[in-house]
Amino acid sequence: DIQMTQSPSSLSASVGDRVTITCRASQGIRSLLAWYQQKPGTAPKRLIYDASSLQRGVPSRFSGGGSGTEFTLTISSLQPEDFATYYCLQHNSYPLTFGPGTKVDIK
Amino acid sequence: EVQLLESGGGLVQPGGSPRLSCAASGFTFSNYPMNWVRQAPGKGLEWVSGISESGSSTYYADSVKGRFTISRDNSKDTLYLQMNNLRAEDTAVYYCANGGMIPDSWGQGTLVTVSS
Repeated sequence: DIQMTQSPSSLSASVGDRVTITCRASQGIRSLLAWYQQKPGTAPKRLIYDASSLQRGVPSRFSGGGSGTEFTLTISSLQPEDFATYYCLQHNSYPLTFGPGTKVDIK
Repeated sequence: EVQLLESGGGLVQPGGSPRLSCAASGFTFSNYPMNWVRQAPGKGLEWVSGISESGSSTYYADSVKGRFTISRDNSKDTLYLQMNNLRAEDTAVYYCANGGMIPDSWGQGTLVTVSS
């Protein structure tokens, strides 16, 4: 099975900051990686798939990059509604596997 | 609007065998592969199982293989998860989601608590 790691596990940032989260796969997954945002008590929301394709309706301040084993999610200018936990998911092969999550909170 | 409504959760004794359901609406259910994803209290997301559009192909996480069975009834627009021999570590909110290998729309989840 493919193992996913994320760094950092948590970060504190201010509104307007540029934030980057890294996700690593234990083996190459081409560009088959998605990013999800989850706020407390709610279901996850898909932000990005295929490493860099923005889900319809997601603000353009979110962007994804990478391929192979290393990927990034960048928020160019953090907004109040972006404080949440972010998960990566490899969709290269079954079983699908999520990263452990990165919690973004207010500095 | 896509709607996914899970049901069947609750308090279950260790070794119990509940069945979760997910009623789908707002899209052509039979055209979409489906998934179950769970989240233990205060923990991260764990993909549990997936099923193809027709139901002919199923996939499972190692942690549930042999104990859980995913199925669907396309005539009823409903997804199921039969859970057998439950353990304390199966306690979680269980979400259904469409979108195949890239879960897209999610339900609100149903909480399964395994405890005596």
